[in-house]
Amino acid sequence: SAVISQKPSRDICQRGTSLTIQCQVDSQVTMMFWYRQQPGQSLTLIATANQGSEATYESGFVIDKFPISRPNLTFSTLTVSNMSPEDSSIYLCSVALDLGSYEQYFGPGTRLTVT
Amino acid sequence: GQSLEQPSEVTAVEGAIVQINCTYQTSGFYGLSWYQQHDGGAPTFLSYNALDGLEETGRFSSFLSRSDSYGYLLLQELQMKDSASYFCAVRSKAAGNKLTFGGGTRVLVKP
Repeated sequence: SAVISQKPSRDICQRGTSLTIQCQVDSQVTMMFWYRQQPGQSLTLIATANQGSEATYESGFVIDKFPISRPNLTFSTLTVSNMSPEDSSIYLCSVALDLGSYEQYFGPGTRLTVT
Repeated sequence: GQSLEQPSEVTAVEGAIVQINCTYQTSGFYGLSWYQQHDGGAPTFLSYNALDGLEETGRFSSFLSRSDSYGYLLLQELQMKDSASYFCAVRSKAAGNKLTFGGGTRVLVKP
């Protein structure tokens, strides 16, 4: 299994600013993902964080808006840039222990409100 | 493209049985997962079906029919703590072996 922590747990930010969310895992994992979830809604994959290379973004998400770093096998950051109220959401870090794993573990999420 | 359909809400009483259906459309299907999420909490893994049939884990069971592109999650002997949202998620080649989630079913258990 994997235990994931995220910082901050929540934040209220002004439009036009940026926020960096940290994800720390208690063990080395192969796959790390970032999701977005509106309260009461489904989970949407933003990107896969790749160690040592650029993240892989899903359709509708771009690096300039959501830059991602993954310096090692236990840590990743997601930045939400130039925020607007539409970016208000819960951002979740998720991991799979290795490439063939079918079970994913999720962090507690970061609740972001943009005013 | 890919799509998953599941009911938005189900209400039942303690001790009852609830079945949450999930139909999907995708190409290169690998498997169907179920996740539970309590309000304000993180999604937690419940089950995974890659082959046809029923998988039982305690009070929860999950079923898959690949030919019908259909699966369900069965919650038995419902308890108040089972009140949560339940998501089906497909893993497929079309999505690069990543999870695509359904819209979620909110289960409300009443005393």
